[in-house]
Amino acid sequence: GAGVSQSPSNKVTEKGKDVELRCDPISGHTALYWYRQRLGQGLEFLIYFQGNSAPDKSGLPSDRFSAERTGESVSTLTIQRTQQEDSAVYLCASSLYGQAGDTQYFGPGTRLTVL
Amino acid sequence: DAKTTQPPSMDCAEGRAANLPCNHSTISGNEYVYWYRQIHSQGPQYIIHGLKNNETNEMASLIITEDRKSSTLILPHATLRDTAVYYCIVRVQNQGGKLIFGQGTELSVKP
Repeated sequence: GAGVSQSPSNKVTEKGKDVELRCDPISGHTALYWYRQRLGQGLEFLIYFQGNSAPDKSGLPSDRFSAERTGESVSTLTIQRTQQEDSAVYLCASSLYGQAGDTQYFGPGTRLTVL
Repeated sequence: DAKTTQPPSMDCAEGRAANLPCNHSTISGNEYVYWYRQIHSQGPQYIIHGLKNNETNEMASLIITEDRKSSTLILPHATLRDTAVYYCIVRVQNQGGKLIFGQGTELSVKP
């Protein structure tokens, strides 16, 4: 079946603008994760959705960042009033149950550049 | 959270086995060890994971020490396409299983 897909693959925006990044998880996966990867760095966890439970937002760096998920399907990460330090690759992953023994599969990422 | 320690870089000759070490001395008894790799400009790719026993799949083998404080990922016959950053991750229990990435090991496979 299809893997995790993300759109757009690249996004260039001006400082202060809002952006929306989309993630389509693998069908049937109940857990969805967003991560951020700055140039030359490892991945940073941002937010996690599991079924109908309240999302784990502990990794969101500021209140300019928010994310939503519709049921167990698509998710949107929104960054308001973008800053240059928001430039990074934003990666989405999904897994079947969201448990520790459960493999996360990653999408190709969205490369965000804030000018 | 359990942390992992990996060497920042390693070289390996094409066709030889690549052995990538990882220390996770504070791992808890019910936490898994996961390995992912990231080839330049791509999303991370799952390789293998284990809890206590050694594991093998079509990509690699994972050797976990008896005390679980360290592990080694083995790529039996490295190819140029295995050049990537390899991440050893301890999966956090009771926090939705989010992955905490360190800096990883940059493996360069040379002809």
